[in-house]
Amino acid sequence: DVKVTQSSRYLVKRTGEKVFLECVQDMDHENMFWYRQDPGLGLRLIYFSYDVKMKEKGDIPEGYSVSREKKERFSLILESASTNQTSMYLCASSLVGITLNEQFFGPGTRLTVL
Amino acid sequence: AQSVTQLDSHVSVSEGTPVLLRCNYSSSYSPSLFWYVQHPNKGLQLLLKYTSAATLVKGINGFEAEFKKSETSFHLTKPSAHMSDAAEYFCVVSESGTASKLTFGTGTRLQVTL
Repeated sequence: DVKVTQSSRYLVKRTGEKVFLECVQDMDHENMFWYRQDPGLGLRLIYFSYDVKMKEKGDIPEGYSVSREKKERFSLILESASTNQTSMYLCASSLVGITLNEQFFGPGTRLTVL
Repeated sequence: AQSVTQLDSHVSVSEGTPVLLRCNYSSSYSPSLFWYVQHPNKGLQLLLKYTSAATLVKGINGFEAEFKKSETSFHLTKPSAHMSDAAEYFCVVSESGTASKLTFGTGTRLQVTL
């Protein structure tokens, strides 16, 4: 079974703090993704990575950065957390293939910024 | 550009009755379409996917969906609801050629009552 794990299920931070969200997958997937999930808005893509050290902006990259130093690990960084970044953050991974492969999701990190 | 509209934010059915969750999509190219399910405090799980093969797609737990190009729809159905089906369901679209980018609908919360 593919397993995508996220470092924390719940996180509380203060405005202005630097926040790291970590994601690890154990199936040698090339693609990794960070989404945020807000009620009534569904999931929105923040960033994705298709290879080590490669990244591309998604639909809402402002206020976020990412790091992928190893294939299995993809980190989301909030340089200076703000209250409007309070949300559920979901990490996902997928294989590269001829047809579109499903994304496998982690359990999510619920971040509260006070 | 691709987009997806889930026509109902909340659906309530009685156990044992049919389920219909509606989804319409917009895509400039031949789309791939998915339904994901999210149970409370769990990550997203793939229910089924359409990738230009058979238009009637069968998924897990008795769910199925029919791709109707003329109606640009991909509605999710199940003949008989079970209490364990209570969850949030997301319709997702991806255009061919943008293999990594998924666009999520805003979700439909399914309630199943006794």
